[in-house]
Amino acid sequence: NAGVTQTPKFRVLKTGQSMTLLCAQDMNHEYMYWYRQDPGMGLRLIHYSVGEGTTAKGEVPDGYNVSRLKKQNFLLGLESAAPSQTSVYFCASSYTPGGGPVDSPLHFGNGTRLTVT
Amino acid sequence: DQQVKQNSPSLSVQEGRISILNCDYTNSMFDYFLWYKKYPAEGPTFLISISSIKDKNEDGRFTVFLNKSAKHLSLHIVPSQPGDSAVYFCAASPVGTGNQFYFGTGTSLTVIP
Repeated sequence: NAGVTQTPKFRVLKTGQSMTLLCAQDMNHEYMYWYRQDPGMGLRLIHYSVGEGTTAKGEVPDGYNVSRLKKQNFLLGLESAAPSQTSVYFCASSYTPGGGPVDSPLHFGNGTRLTVT
Repeated sequence: DQQVKQNSPSLSVQEGRISILNCDYTNSMFDYFLWYKKYPAEGPTFLISISSIKDKNEDGRFTVFLNKSAKHLSLHIVPSQPGDSAVYFCAASPVGTGNQFYFGTGTSLTVIP
């Protein structure tokens, strides 16, 4: 059972370039999330999705777009990369049966280290 | 504004002793709290959680305590083992948000053999 898989693991971009990070989960989870981790900042929520075809903004959404066309996949896009987007990006998913707030933890992928020069 | 704070960036403990990691929060709407453990080059892994209706939850060597009036939670690891050396994040989720989590900045624990 793979859990949450992120691709790629590493990427270097030049300022202004675009890219898409892919997250796939095989646990049939409804909720999926994108976080970024920066030194001294902890993990901050970028965007999240509560089901196929839905997306919502988190704490730090500017400069990013997301799509959830299939339940198992959650894509994070950077249209015009900036050095401030240099970070480690984590995708996560969680199980929420029946909708509404449920005590269920996040399951994380191993991260994508992105450097923007 | 950081709603979940871990004021100790690092902690060193001798093997076999107790490790106590602390976390403070400011949002009184938080009702579900979790601890995650993170090794280098890996994603965080879930360790233990506690709901606001409880003040203690145990799982083996790990116990989480919640003091709602002080808006404080702590993670106790007894006895500490070298394999516990990792970064520990606390996280909190507000009522009615359907699993939106706010994370602290992490505490790096080193257990000395």
